Amino acid sequence: QQQVKQSPQSLIVQKGGISIINCAYENTAFDYFPWYQQFPGKGPALLIAIRPDVSEKKEGRFTISFNKSAKQFSLHIMDSQPGDSATYFCAATTGNQFYFGTGTSLTVIP
Amino acid sequence: GAVVSQHPSRVICKSGTSVKIECRSLDFQATTMFWYRQFPKQSLMLMATSNEGSKATYEQGVEKDKFLINHASLTLSTLTVTSAHPEDSSFYICSAGQGTYGYTFGSGTRLTVV
Repeated sequence: QQQVKQSPQSLIVQKGGISIINCAYENTAFDYFPWYQQFPGKGPALLIAIRPDVSEKKEGRFTISFNKSAKQFSLHIMDSQPGDSATYFCAATTGNQFYFGTGTSLTVIP
Repeated sequence: GAVVSQHPSRVICKSGTSVKIECRSLDFQATTMFWYRQFPKQSLMLMATSNEGSKATYEQGVEKDKFLINHASLTLSTLTVTSAHPEDSSFYICSAGQGTYGYTFGSGTRLTVV
C-alpha cells in the first residue's frame, strides 16, 4: 500500500515557468513532510520541509503548500531553471517511519 | 549541516563474491541508519533499519542472510551483499539521523555484478 501518492510522474516546464508537484497521504499521524531533490547517480538531498501546523513554507524559489484537512501538500518551483531538472520525491514521516512518494521527473526546457 | 558519507560510490564485482558498503555519519552520532535500494526511474525502497548495538530490522521480502547489516558504532553502518548475483545490481543508498526530522542521505553506491 502506497502511503504517499505523488503526481505527476513526469513534468516538462519551460524555463521561467512554475513547476508544481502534488502529494497526498492518508495517515494523520505523519508529522513531518520533506521534499527531496535527486540528480542521476546521487542520493536524495533535502530541499525543503514543512510540519502540519504550518500551511505554507517558502525558501527562495521553492514553496511548500500544505492542506491538512485535505491531507495534501505540494511543491511549487517558481522561475524554474534548467538546473532544476531532477527527480523530486515527497515524503511523510512519523517516529522512525519514513515514506517516500513515487517521484516526479522534472525537465526544464531552456 | 549533517553529513553522511557513503563508500564506495561505484563497485563492480564478480558473481558469487561479497561486497561491503559503508555509511558514515561525519559530524553527528546516528542511533538509527536506514538502507535503501533504488531501481532506475523508481523511488527508494527501504530494505532495513539499522540500530546501533542491536540487530537490524528488515523489511518484508528482504533476505537478511543476503544483505548483512552491521551498526557497530554510532557513526558507522555497513551493508554487505553476500554471494552477489546480477539481479543484485542496483543503486544502494543509506540515510542517517537522530530522529524524525533529521535524516540525511548518503550519495549512494552503484553496484554492478557481472
